[in-house]
Amino acid sequence: DTGVSQDPRHKITKRGQNVTFRCDPISEHNRLYWYRQTLGQGPEFLTYFQNEAQLEKSRLLSDRFSAERPKGSFSTLEIQRTEQGDSAMYLCASSLAREQETQYFGPGTRLLVL
Amino acid sequence: DAKTTQPPSMDCAEGRAANLPCNHSTISGNEYVYWYRQIHSQGPQYIIHGLKNNETNEMASLIITEDRKSSTLILPHATLRDTAVYYCIVNSFGNQFYFGTGTSLTVIP
Repeated sequence: DTGVSQDPRHKITKRGQNVTFRCDPISEHNRLYWYRQTLGQGPEFLTYFQNEAQLEKSRLLSDRFSAERPKGSFSTLEIQRTEQGDSAMYLCASSLAREQETQYFGPGTRLLVL
Repeated sequence: DAKTTQPPSMDCAEGRAANLPCNHSTISGNEYVYWYRQIHSQGPQYIIHGLKNNETNEMASLIITEDRKSSTLILPHATLRDTAVYYCIVNSFGNQFYFGTGTSLTVIP
């Protein structure tokens, strides 16, 4: 399978714990995006990388959220001190940076904070 | 924020064409129209995109009006597996995808 993969697919945690999600993009894609999706809503953009550079992070929901892409390949999204309101689907997408930029999405990580 | 308007829901009989409309009256000259769909609990799936010409691929056809203020996604022979939420997005290079709430399409047997 050469698509975008995410791990884990499901995560249950207790309020106050830290969680980290991983995304592996399509191998030749230089852009990587993180989105959050809550029930009944469309995906909401959080941040993105071009290679290892994080080009937009102003839409990360709070300073408890951070993302890295250290070698320009896989990326991690960390949520510190989780809250019940963080319960959502976290989606990753990758693309090639070009005019007709098509993003390809992974299956998502579903987070439940108890 | 989302620059498109879509009906919240639509039904279509199995085997018939599903025509999903999208209004994007403020679209800029360099913005493309993209369509994605999301089947329950899965990641969004790319369907098709276009700038100003009509486009067709193995999944669907995209019809964009001459003034580019609206478009229609056509699934020529809808099947039960096409039941999903369909998102219409306008975007230009270097900007972010904004998803609205999409159209929930139900294909009825």
